[in-house]
Amino acid sequence: SAVISQKPSRDICQRGTSLTIQCQVDSQVTMMFWYRQQPGQSLTLIATANQGSEATYESGFVIDKFPISRPNLTFSTLTVSNMSPEDSSIYLCSAADGSYEQYFGPGTRLTVT
Amino acid sequence: ILNVEQSPQSLHVQEGDSTNFTCSFPSSNFYALHWYRWETAKSPEALFVMTLNGDEKKKGRISATLNTKEGYSYLYIKGSQPEDSATYLCASPGKAGTALIFGKGTTLSVSS
Repeated sequence: SAVISQKPSRDICQRGTSLTIQCQVDSQVTMMFWYRQQPGQSLTLIATANQGSEATYESGFVIDKFPISRPNLTFSTLTVSNMSPEDSSIYLCSAADGSYEQYFGPGTRLTVT
Repeated sequence: ILNVEQSPQSLHVQEGDSTNFTCSFPSSNFYALHWYRWETAKSPEALFVMTLNGDEKKKGRISATLNTKEGYSYLYIKGSQPEDSATYLCASPGKAGTALIFGKGTTLSVSS
């Protein structure tokens, strides 16, 4: 199994600013993903973080708004840029090691005022 | 596009009650079905990963079944306790080795 930590655990930000969320896995993993859960909605995939190359974004999500880095097999960052109140969500990092299992971090609770 | 549905959206039971939730998913191109338990401010906790039609898995008082031919899974909790209060999520990957598609979850509240 993999243990995932995220920083920060929560933040309150002003509109127009940016926040970078860090995700650290305690072992090397094949895949890393970023999800968000807006109030009352499903956990929705933002993108797959690819090691050493550009992330793969889902429909409705773009790199300019959610730039992602993955410099190695254990670490990734997600930036929420030019935030608006609609970006208030829980952001979750997850990792998969090639088995059926997928592990999650504790999430970052973001409120944009 | 894979669509995962869960019902009910929320549920309130008394301590000692048994309860069950439903997850439905497309029966075509099935790969796996995941159940997670998610408490506020904690990581979603993996409960079960099910892959074969007819699978039944059990973890303490919690069990799950899978019917891939008709596209549903049930999660059962026997003798609910207040510590079972959480949101229960089911999810399925769109294809092998990819990210999970989640339902909206069932939020269970157990009162003593």
